[in-house]
Amino acid sequence: DGGITQSPKYLFRKEGQNVTLSCEQNLNHDAMYWYRQDPGQGLRLIYYSQIVNDFQKGDIAEGYSVSREKKESFPLTVTSAQKNPTAFYLCASDNRETGGLAGELFFGEGSRLTVL
Amino acid sequence: QKEVEQDPGPLSVPEGAIVSLNCTYSNSAFQYFMWYRQYSRKGPELLMYTYSSGNKEDGRFTAQVDKSSKYISLFIRDSQPSDSATYLCAMSRGTDSWGKLQFGAGTQVVVTP
Repeated sequence: DGGITQSPKYLFRKEGQNVTLSCEQNLNHDAMYWYRQDPGQGLRLIYYSQIVNDFQKGDIAEGYSVSREKKESFPLTVTSAQKNPTAFYLCASDNRETGGLAGELFFGEGSRLTVL
Repeated sequence: QKEVEQDPGPLSVPEGAIVSLNCTYSNSAFQYFMWYRQYSRKGPELLMYTYSSGNKEDGRFTAQVDKSSKYISLFIRDSQPSDSATYLCAMSRGTDSWGKLQFGAGTQVVVTP
């Protein structure tokens, strides 16, 4: 089955540590996204990438970094500079290149990061 | 002030009732309006999609968009316990913002048997 796989599902981190969240897709989609979800705030865009080796900051990029070396992979690093990293992180892609709807995103099952 | 406002609930209804959800927004540039459904500890999935103003119906679900009032709604008829989830409204300006969506906070819906 095609889809987006995020790992790990749950992650605990001590303050001051960097952590990398994995996102892999086998949908052959060009564009990929990282969103953060906090209770009562909805989803907020961290970074997005429309093509390999290119990515753009979203609304809340400070304290995060990404890479896009392969079409299938878009890992997110939460650095120690992120002041409040405890959240649910969602990776997504879109299928504009095959006639998808503008705004239709395909999400992974998320990674829950807790900073101790 | 947030661009998209949505009451977080929870909204509890008995099985078979009509569920009514809504969002308001401030940016008149939004053209694409979506409702995503998110089950607990899962990623959201697209439920309804509307371009510009109007109504759209899909089975038990009806989405309405009133751009003049900057107000969108989702109705679920004959609600089932399997409809218990968080419903997120989302919107975008257009194809230049393809996946860069503005989300509401999400409304938690509980349908009791």
